[in-house]
Amino acid sequence: EVQLVESGGGLVQPGGSLRLSCAPSGFTFSTYAMSWVRQAPGKGLEWVSTINNNGGTTYYADSVRGRFTISRDNSKNTLYLQMNSLRAEDTALYYCAKAGCFSTGCYTTHWGQGTLVIVSS
Amino acid sequence: DIQMTQSPSTLPASVGDRVTITCRASQSISSWLAWYQQKPGKAPNLLIYKASNLESGVPSRFSGSGSGTEFTLTISSLQPDDFATYYCQQYNDYLLTFGGGTKVEIK
Repeated sequence: EVQLVESGGGLVQPGGSLRLSCAPSGFTFSTYAMSWVRQAPGKGLEWVSTINNNGGTTYYADSVRGRFTISRDNSKNTLYLQMNSLRAEDTALYYCAKAGCFSTGCYTTHWGQGTLVIVSS
Repeated sequence: DIQMTQSPSTLPASVGDRVTITCRASQSISSWLAWYQQKPGKAPNLLIYKASNLESGVPSRFSGSGSGTEFTLTISSLQPDDFATYYCQQYNDYLLTFGGGTKVEIK
């Protein structure tokens, strides 16, 4: 059974940084692309970032490009999202997601339960 | 970026109703579309990929159709467990985008 467990969320001041982690199980992590998707309170889903299986290719939403960095350590079976220069509008539940990819792009096959990030002074 | 527009945003319905949700893309995305269901306080769940392919374990009352710029998700006979919010997502582009969501609520 695929499981994705996020951690690292919390309360941070505007301009601060936070690093999210995701621990996957139930599949061979190193063979799948992974994504982060967020959901602001009471709002819809927003894709944040995707990384390919070996970490060599990354994609970002315009809203986070230059501030967030997605990475992975296949030897540690862990996905990361480094978030810098955080803004109030980054407040959201952040989901780790296992991706199913084609030549054009990726959809999400499995989701974690999310970790909450609150950016507030 | 490709914009995805869902309609309606809210859909009052009754158990047994046939329900149809529409998703329109701002440009052609071929069949690179997925549909998700999300219940309150829960993570989304994949229903359909590549516009019409039912994910394993998803009830057959769910179906998807369309290509190009217009897509539909149909629930043939709404069940109590189906009251939820539904999202479409395009993956024609690695800059992925979701629709705004359609909440199916009890009439």
